[in-house]
Amino acid sequence: QITLKESGPTLVKPTQTLTLTCTFSGFSLTTSGVGVGWIRQPPGKALEWLAVIYWDDDKRYSPSLKSRLTITKDTSKNQVVLTMTNMDPVDTATYYCVHRERSQVATTQNWFDPWGQGTLVTVSS
Amino acid sequence: DIQMTQSPSSLSASVGDRVTITCRASQSISNFLNWYQQKPGKAPKLLIYTASSLQSGVPSRFSGSGSGTDFTLTISSLQPEDFATYYCQQSYSTLYSFGQGTKLEIK
Repeated sequence: QITLKESGPTLVKPTQTLTLTCTFSGFSLTTSGVGVGWIRQPPGKALEWLAVIYWDDDKRYSPSLKSRLTITKDTSKNQVVLTMTNMDPVDTATYYCVHRERSQVATTQNWFDPWGQGTLVTVSS
Repeated sequence: DIQMTQSPSSLSASVGDRVTITCRASQSISNFLNWYQQKPGKAPKLLIYTASSLQSGVPSRFSGSGSGTDFTLTISSLQPEDFATYYCQQSYSTLYSFGQGTKLEIK
């Protein structure tokens, strides 16, 4: 069974850097094809994909946030860390960690499953 | 970037109704399209992947179709537990993107 759990501060001040950790179990980020991503959702708004890291350390970032994001992995701890610099009140959101699943048949096909429970981060002075 | 547009943004329906939600991509994405259901205060849950494949454990009243730029999610007979928000997501590009969501409400 795959599980993921987000951890980090619930409150950050404007201009500060946010660091979130995703701790997962049930899979290894050293296995070919595996990925872990981050998605956020401001209160009452839509989902927004932020970043993903793959087993081979390839990384992808949302173009609109690329300059502010860094995603890293620690395979020995089964963790993925997302940092976001220069936080602003508009970054207030629930941040989700997700497992990127890949089709066994058509390996280019992929989707997010499962999701972590999410962690609400509020940006306020 | 690939933009995903859902319609309608909200929908009122009754238990037993047949409901269709549409998702349109800004460019062809073949069948690289996934659907998620989100209930209030909960994380999204995968419903359908690769446009039409039902995730394990998801009731058969849910179905997906489409290819290229136009996709649909259909619920054949609405149940009380189906009232939620639904999101489409493209995985054609590794710069993933979601639709803005469709909120399904009880009439």
